[in-house]
Amino acid sequence: EIVLTQSPDTLSLSPGESAILSCRASQSISSYLAWYQQKPGQAPRLLIYDASNRATGIPARFSGRGSGTDFTLTISSLEPADFAVYYCQQRSNWPPYTFGQGTKLEVK
Amino acid sequence: QVQLVESGGGVVQPGGSLRLSCTASGVTFSGYAMHWVRQAPGKGLDWVAVIGYDGTNEHYADSVQGRFTIFRDNSKNTLYLHMNSLRTEDTAIYYCARDLWNTGWSGFLDLWGRGTLVTVSS
Repeated sequence: EIVLTQSPDTLSLSPGESAILSCRASQSISSYLAWYQQKPGQAPRLLIYDASNRATGIPARFSGRGSGTDFTLTISSLEPADFAVYYCQQRSNWPPYTFGQGTKLEVK
Repeated sequence: QVQLVESGGGVVQPGGSLRLSCTASGVTFSGYAMHWVRQAPGKGLDWVAVIGYDGTNEHYADSVQGRFTIFRDNSKNTLYLHMNSLRTEDTAIYYCARDLWNTGWSGFLDLWGRGTLVTVSS
């Protein structure tokens, strides 16, 4: 089973700043990685798939990059609605599809 | 309105059974693989099972293999999860989610329901 480790666990930033979230896989997953955003009481929302492709309706402020074992999600010019928990997920080696433990992006 | 709506959650004793449903409206259902993902209270996301668009392929997480069964009725735009031999560690919000790809499956989930809470407790 592929283990995804996200860092940091919590990221404290102010609106207008940029956020960089990391996800590391326990073995190479090529570019088979997605990022999701989850707000309290809501279902997750797909942001990025195949490491760098934005899902439908996702603003260009969200960008993903990486391949192999190291991936990043960058959110530029943070807006109040961006403060949430973010998960990465792999589809390279399944079942199971696995998720990272999440990074909480909070207001500083 | 495009949505997936789960139902069937509730409180059940350890060893008991429960069947969850997920009904799609305003969205193409029959051409897509469908997944169940769960989230224990205050915890992260845990993939449970997937079924192909035509119901002929299914896969499970090891933790539920042999206890849970995923199936679908495309004529009713409905996905199901039958859960047997429930354990306290199965307590979670259960989300149904549609796969990103049409007719194949990617493993990425682009449309989610709001979830239904299953509590396994004596």
